[in-house]
Amino acid sequence: AQSVTQLDSQVPVFEEAPVELRCNYSSSVSVYLFWYVQYPNQGLQLLLKYLSGSTLVKGINGFEAEFNKSQTSFHLRKPSVHISDTAEYFCAVSERNRDDKIIFGKGTRLHILP
Amino acid sequence: DAGVIQSPRHEVTEMGQEVTLRCKPISGHNSLFWYRQTMMRGLELLIYFNNNVPIDDSGMPEDRFSAKMPNASFSTLKIQPSEPRDSAVYFCASSSLAGRGGELFFGEGSRLTVL
Repeated sequence: AQSVTQLDSQVPVFEEAPVELRCNYSSSVSVYLFWYVQYPNQGLQLLLKYLSGSTLVKGINGFEAEFNKSQTSFHLRKPSVHISDTAEYFCAVSERNRDDKIIFGKGTRLHILP
Repeated sequence: DAGVIQSPRHEVTEMGQEVTLRCKPISGHNSLFWYRQTMMRGLELLIYFNNNVPIDDSGMPEDRFSAKMPNASFSTLKIQPSEPRDSAVYFCASSSLAGRGGELFFGEGSRLTVL
């Protein structure tokens, strides 16, 4: 069965600084990978996803992520954060051609410091 | 489309009472998921349905929890009897391409407090 580990529960970063949120996954088969964002008191919404092809994936709000198969990682990056990026970020995985189960990591809370 | 609709948004109840959470998925979506979110455990998958059929309920914590999907436009998650440790935010999500890397669309959640 698949699993996801988000190594940091909270990440503080200064406004306009770069940020990386880390995600590692485990699966015995090929996977689809996702990053979702949750703003306060809301449901989750998709930031970006990796299905196949180019390992660098670009998403909304200036975020991007890179799939690294050898390291089983899918880290999320943004070159310059804004106060509006304050939210919780979830990495998720599903197994290709297996079933529809989508498993989420525990989330990383991004704190933007003024 | 109005998106995934969950009700109630907030529920406060006393231990031992029955709780029913409701979800209306996006029209045309054939997969529906129930997740529970807590500070300690993050976002846990409880159960999911394909074409109204429960596929995997291995995440349902115990027999006090049950979920149904009587038709393509409605699902319920029931807790009977409820306990304080069930306090959490419960999310419903739907998708049309879940098995092929499709996006999950989430409702705004139902925040349950059991006293």
